[in-house]
Amino acid sequence: QSVLTQPPSASGTPGQRVTVSCSGSSSNIGSNTVNWYQQLPGTAPKLLIYSNNQRPSGVPDRFSGSKSGASASLAISGLQSEDEADYYCAAWDDSLNGWVFGGGTKLTVL
Amino acid sequence: EVQLVESGGGLVQPGGSLRLSCAASGFTFSSYSMNWVRQAPGKGLEWVSYISSSSTTIYYADSVKGRFTISRDNAKNSLYLQMNSLRDEDTAVYYCARDRYSNYPTYFDYWGQGTLVTVSS
Repeated sequence: QSVLTQPPSASGTPGQRVTVSCSGSSSNIGSNTVNWYQQLPGTAPKLLIYSNNQRPSGVPDRFSGSKSGASASLAISGLQSEDEADYYCAAWDDSLNGWVFGGGTKLTVL
Repeated sequence: EVQLVESGGGLVQPGGSLRLSCAASGFTFSSYSMNWVRQAPGKGLEWVSYISSSSTTIYYADSVKGRFTISRDNAKNSLYLQMNSLRDEDTAVYYCARDRYSNYPTYFDYWGQGTLVTVSS
């Protein structure tokens, strides 16, 4: 299983706000920043949030990230059908000397 | 426009070898660290290896340590992954991903489209 823990699925209706959690430990999220990636069906992953809460240019402000202790969250407000995708959290792990990912959360827009 | 194009994937028998390449364009390749990340069919993302801009710092996931070798040629704007002693569980789409900074891991700001490696007899 993955070093970072995410719920396998999440869902919401258009316009709703949904959150995706990501739980780690002191060696990864607890001591390093968290990044989030979005993977639309059949495509390569794309950077969504970096350094806990920063959005790259072009990412809508409907997407936001936060971190507290050894946990992080991704929030999507004003849910849209095109947000249906897999979402992954990632952080550097000081004990493993490598990147660790969450198992991914499949978001369904009902 | 930043572009990362992987190549070299294919079908290989268990115990065999394969060399993946990633051709970079649209940015100063020698100024950025690079990574390989893989995704087994129907599974999540797994980081494989990291190399700093000048190749002075290299990291591997435990699952590939001793079998895979990452390298780069800044003159050719290319990243490589030499994969030896391949196992069934190495079957995956392999992505190359640019790291935002040159000499320490930060985040993957650009990804290639991936190349499929299938290990099977």
